Amino acid sequence: EADIYQTPRYLVIGTGKKITLECSQTMGHDKMYWYQQDPGMELHLIHYSYGVNSTEKGDLSSESTVSRIRTEHFPLTLESARPSHTSQYLCAVDRGYNSPLHFGNGTRLTVT
Amino acid sequence: ELKVEQNPLFLSMQEGKNYTIYCNYSTTSDRLYWYRQDPGKSLESLFVLLSNGAVKQEGRLMASLDTKARLSTLHITAAVHDLSATYFCAVEPMDDYKLSFGAGTTVTVRA
Repeated sequence: EADIYQTPRYLVIGTGKKITLECSQTMGHDKMYWYQQDPGMELHLIHYSYGVNSTEKGDLSSESTVSRIRTEHFPLTLESARPSHTSQYLCAVDRGYNSPLHFGNGTRLTVT
Repeated sequence: ELKVEQNPLFLSMQEGKNYTIYCNYSTTSDRLYWYRQDPGKSLESLFVLLSNGAVKQEGRLMASLDTKARLSTLHITAAVHDLSATYFCAVEPMDDYKLSFGAGTTVTVRA
């Protein structure tokens, strides 16, 4: 089972602050994804990675950036948070052929 | 661009009755997933459908896939309150690993 951990679970922060949302997994899978979801709405892919030093932007334009220096970690950074960034951010890992994406518990971000 | 359409977007169910949620998609694919999301929570995988004609059942839920019609259905039998949630379908294109999600169907089961 690919456990996936996201921290923090909730974050309230002021405009202009730099934040990093953490996502880590324990099973060494290569493919990882970040989705953004407003409450009750659909998921939008904002970043993905197919392995170390490989990152790509997703379908929804985002001001956030990601890095993949180690297989286990896929952090997402906002250099200057704005109220428009208020949303839920979900990290997911692809456990391999014929398996569904496995999601973390998410980070609910509020920018005031 | 792959488009995934779910309908209805909102579904008010009466306990004990049967309902169906539809998921249409716009490009060739033989991989479709159904997820459940409770309010404020993350997504939980329900079904993985990997070929034309695939049918999976778990409790009161049954999902099927028709790749020729580019259609999946999630059938709910004898709805109960515990099934209240938002249900998402997600499609993986033939030439890509990235999933495209439908808008979700918010289900409310009333007595």
